[in-house]
This record gives sequence, structure tokens and C-alpha cells, in this order.
Amino acid sequence: EAQVTQNPRYLITVTGKKLTVTCSQNMNHEYMSWYRQDPGLGLRQIYYSMNVEVTDKGDVPEGYKVSRKEKRNFPLILESPSPNQTSLYFCASSPYDRDNGYTFGSGTRLTVV
Amino acid sequence: SQQGEEDPQALSIQEGENATMNCSYKTSINNLQWYRQNSGRGLVHLILIRSNEREKHSGRLRVTLDTSKKSSSLLITASRAADTASYFCASDHGSSNTGKLIFGQGTTLQVKP
Repeated sequence: EAQVTQNPRYLITVTGKKLTVTCSQNMNHEYMSWYRQDPGLGLRQIYYSMNVEVTDKGDVPEGYKVSRKEKRNFPLILESPSPNQTSLYFCASSPYDRDNGYTFGSGTRLTVV
Repeated sequence: SQQGEEDPQALSIQEGENATMNCSYKTSINNLQWYRQNSGRGLVHLILIRSNEREKHSGRLRVTLDTSKKSSSLLITASRAADTASYFCASDHGSSNTGKLIFGQGTTLQVKP
């Protein structure tokens, strides 16, 4: 089944403890992106990647890192999480032409205490 | 704000009725997409309409696009209880090749059996 897989689904962590949210897609998509969803603010892009070793900042990149060493994986790294990073995170992928919409993962609900 | 606007914010209808949601965006687009989100879950791509298209159908879904008014509408015909979800429009402006989607705030649809 064609899908974007995120893990973990839920995570509660403490301020300052590094964490990684994994994202993997099995559709050979070139384009991958991370969004966060917050009440009243909607979905905002954090980082995106056009292909392997090509990443760039979205609208809200502060406090996040990404890497794209393989085409299928696009992990989101929080080096020192803070409570304002408590959010619902989504990974999405699409073919390079983005002409048929994006496939989203099921989401990761992160709570930083 | 970069975000598009959707109305209504919430819509409650009876099963079998039609549901119409509207979306406005701010700058020229490559395409406009509609997504469905069930309570806290991932977004599911429903339909994409390109900037040179005016209307598109997919099953019980009908999307229109008016680029002169920078607006789009999603019509769900003969609604079912299973259509209960939040619906988001997302505009792809194609600028700078970021692939960023600009999401509306969403319409929460409740279909009563």
C-alpha cells in the first residue's frame, strides 16, 4: 500500500531532551515536507526537501532540523524541545511535479512538558 | 496572514443533504487542493483543480475555481454520516519551488444520521 509512515504516533517528552520523529514513504516521491498543525494557526510548513541531500526552510523552521540522506526517509529532529513545540506534526510527500496532491502521514502528536 | 480563508467554519446538515464549503486565497496559484481530516488524523487528498480549470468532479465531490475572485468551492452531494470531518483547502502557488501549500483554517462538517 502506498503510504507515508510517521513514528511515533504520540510522544510526551521533557524540555531539552532531543528527539526524532521519523517519516518514511514507499512511493519513490522526490518531494517531502513537514508541517505542524496548531489550533487557530492552521497548518504551517516547517521544512521541505526536493530530493536527496536537498532541504530548505519553510515558514517556521526555528528549533527544528531535518535530513534527507535517502529518498524514502525525511526525519524531523528537535535538538532541544521546548513547550511551544507542542503540536500535531505531519509529514507529506509527492512526486516532483506535485500535480496530483500530496500524501500525508497519520500525524505525530507531540507534547513537551 | 498567508493563510487562505474558508467559510463556513462549521456546518451541520442531515444525511442526504448537500454540503458546500468555500475557500478564498490571496495570490495567483498553480492549483488548489482539497483535503479531509478526521479528528486529529492525517489529511487525505480529495481533489485537485488546476488554475486553468473551472470545474472538476470526483464521485460525489464537485469543485469549482474562480481565479478572478481567487475563490473555490467544494460541494459534497448526498452527504453521509461518514463524511463528518474537517475539510481544508490548500493553495499551491508554485513560487520559489518550495512546494509549500497554504492551508485554509478549515470547515468542520457534521452530518447527522
